[in-house]
Amino acid sequence: KNEVEQSPQNLTAQEGEFITINCSYSVGISALHWLQQHPGGGIVSLFMLSSGKKKHGRLIATINIQEKHSSLHITASHPRDSAVYICAVGLDNDMRFGAGTRLTVKP
Amino acid sequence: NAGVTQTPKFQVLKTGQSMTLQCAQDMNHEYMSWYRQDPGMGLRLIHYSVGAGITDQGEVPNGYNVSRSTTEDFPLRLLSAAPSQTSVYFCASSYSAKGSGGYTFGSGTRLTVV
Repeated sequence: KNEVEQSPQNLTAQEGEFITINCSYSVGISALHWLQQHPGGGIVSLFMLSSGKKKHGRLIATINIQEKHSSLHITASHPRDSAVYICAVGLDNDMRFGAGTRLTVKP
Repeated sequence: NAGVTQTPKFQVLKTGQSMTLQCAQDMNHEYMSWYRQDPGMGLRLIHYSVGAGITDQGEVPNGYNVSRSTTEDFPLRLLSAAPSQTSVYFCASSYSAKGSGGYTFGSGTRLTVV
């Protein structure tokens, strides 16, 4: 069983919709990261979370340490949000990644 | 522009050949790492370094070597390429192993071993 599970694997939304991507993990972590991989392949860090909630523009990330669960929300989605979103957990010096959620936002 | 520079972008190797993937960063990050990305499996950590002179293995280290002689450079060496090493490779860096300030990724190297 993968230590990091993401759902859904694929998500199609209409422009303007509210998006939620979920991440569950089964190990003790030092931090959780959300990454965005563009269609061209480049990877960008979106958030690092140890607790609570963070917001950057239309993106919101939350984490529940007790439940070992994190969510990434996108408000007022836009076609430019189309990408693969990856959850990663830090284990001391090591990292484990989810398989990613492919988001397509249609105009 | 500041960031992580990864070369080459594409490479085709024959089975048994060796090569080095280069990774350099100019942000004075202590932590550097190499990942491979395979379809349906997500990113997996190959090797990492928490500072010059210090390296350690990640989840999938077999067939790869690394060294960290300077803070800026973290090359990945394939000793004897195998078709199973066909993948997309990413280098990343951060201020710390925890990822404080986020990770900066290189643009990736698409490697094909025939």
